Amino acid sequence: IAGITQAPTSQILAAGRRMTLRCTQDMRHNAMYWYRQDLGLGLRLIHYSNTAGTTGKGEVPDGYSVSRANTDDFPLTLASAVPSQTSVYFCASSEGHEPGGYTFGSGTRLTVV
Amino acid sequence: GQNIDQPTEMTATEGAIVQINCTYQTSGFNGLFWYQQHAGEAPTFLSYNVLDGLEEKGRFSSFLSRSKGYSYLLLKELQMKDSASYLCACRDSNYQLIWGAGTKLIIKP
Repeated sequence: IAGITQAPTSQILAAGRRMTLRCTQDMRHNAMYWYRQDLGLGLRLIHYSNTAGTTGKGEVPDGYSVSRANTDDFPLTLASAVPSQTSVYFCASSEGHEPGGYTFGSGTRLTVV
Repeated sequence: GQNIDQPTEMTATEGAIVQINCTYQTSGFNGLFWYQQHAGEAPTFLSYNVLDGLEEKGRFSSFLSRSKGYSYLLLKELQMKDSASYLCACRDSNYQLIWGAGTKLIIKP
């Protein structure tokens, strides 16, 4: 692994089902983030974690939950998927406030039908 | 509220120069970022400005004016591979990134 790995790459999910998107990084970055990206909109922050054991809500947290049991993993769970959660989901990480910004995973394309 | 504005789409010719503008209004300011995103791929970091002025990195340069809430990304000697979306993002007082919707740059031969 080099950087951030997200799984699955894509998924079609029935409405009402539960789904966990996985995110793992090997850079030992303290901060991790989940974004969704929709056509015509900027990246929107769902949840974030500044360090292992802590999480916070972003701009659009409703319907999503996260956990940060260790430094490397930051899973995103949709408890009961709805069609409006159809989106591309990106996980990202950063080491504090360094100028290099964020490193992104390759994304998960989720379709809720 | 917090807001990042950038043009939706721009078209330029291979070999030419293009400037992509970004204006921002945020609660506090802790730096401005530009990212490149090819279709279907993840954003990748291009540049970071925290002080006023021009930062040059090869064919790409980024400019910041904090007093005007303004930045631009300048791409020189355009190549077909530069066809992508360019995302402007501003880091606010809480060190969270606020993202623009992106500018889709189309390069024509």
